[in-house]
Amino acid sequence: KAGVTQTPRYLIKTRGQQVTLSCSPISGHRSVSWYQQTPGQGLQFLFEYFSETQRNKGNFPGRFSGRQFSNSRSEMNVSTLELGDSALYLCASSDLTVMNTEAFFGQGTRLTVV
Amino acid sequence: GQQVMQIPQYQHVQEGEDFTTYCNSSTTLSNIQWYKQRPGGHPVFLIQLVKSGEVKKQKRLTFQFGEAKKNSSLHITATQTTDVGTYFCAGPDGGSQGNLIFGKGTKLSVKP
Repeated sequence: KAGVTQTPRYLIKTRGQQVTLSCSPISGHRSVSWYQQTPGQGLQFLFEYFSETQRNKGNFPGRFSGRQFSNSRSEMNVSTLELGDSALYLCASSDLTVMNTEAFFGQGTRLTVV
Repeated sequence: GQQVMQIPQYQHVQEGEDFTTYCNSSTTLSNIQWYKQRPGGHPVFLIQLVKSGEVKKQKRLTFQFGEAKKNSSLHITATQTTDVGTYFCAGPDGGSQGNLIFGKGTKLSVKP
């Protein structure tokens, strides 16, 4: 069974630009959650999608958005990038919800904003 | 809001010594999960505890869930260099449908 695939692995963007990150969950998993990981704040929840619907959203500004497609693949978009958006962005997939079952994380996308 | 706190933040041990990390939630948890993240890697699921007072073992790792289901611990016996990494506990957000709240993690380094 293939694991969670995130692309790209590394990204360098300039302040003010926008970026789109992709996550392909494990086959059959319908829940995809996104997390931002920074040394200072740790793992912070961005949002969760289930069957193409955003089920929950964390405390991030509206510049952070996402979507999920019918094949469960998910994308997250960050517009008007700020230096503070530099982080490792992780997506996690599970069959129903990460709250009660194991979350499978992807390798992450390392975003650097300069 | 709900918080999950973890201590210590860092732990340096000599190979062969024991290691323990503690996790405390501000609210009662329906379950608690533990993850390990190796340097440069991504979090990998270790275990989930559900029952009050539950104790589970995985080789040299022992996980406990408190009686009140608000705290948990991970104990590693006789650490090895392969144990290096950051250990996170995570609990479900009681107010949402799809959110795990992670502790800040305990970073373990092991000196050979």
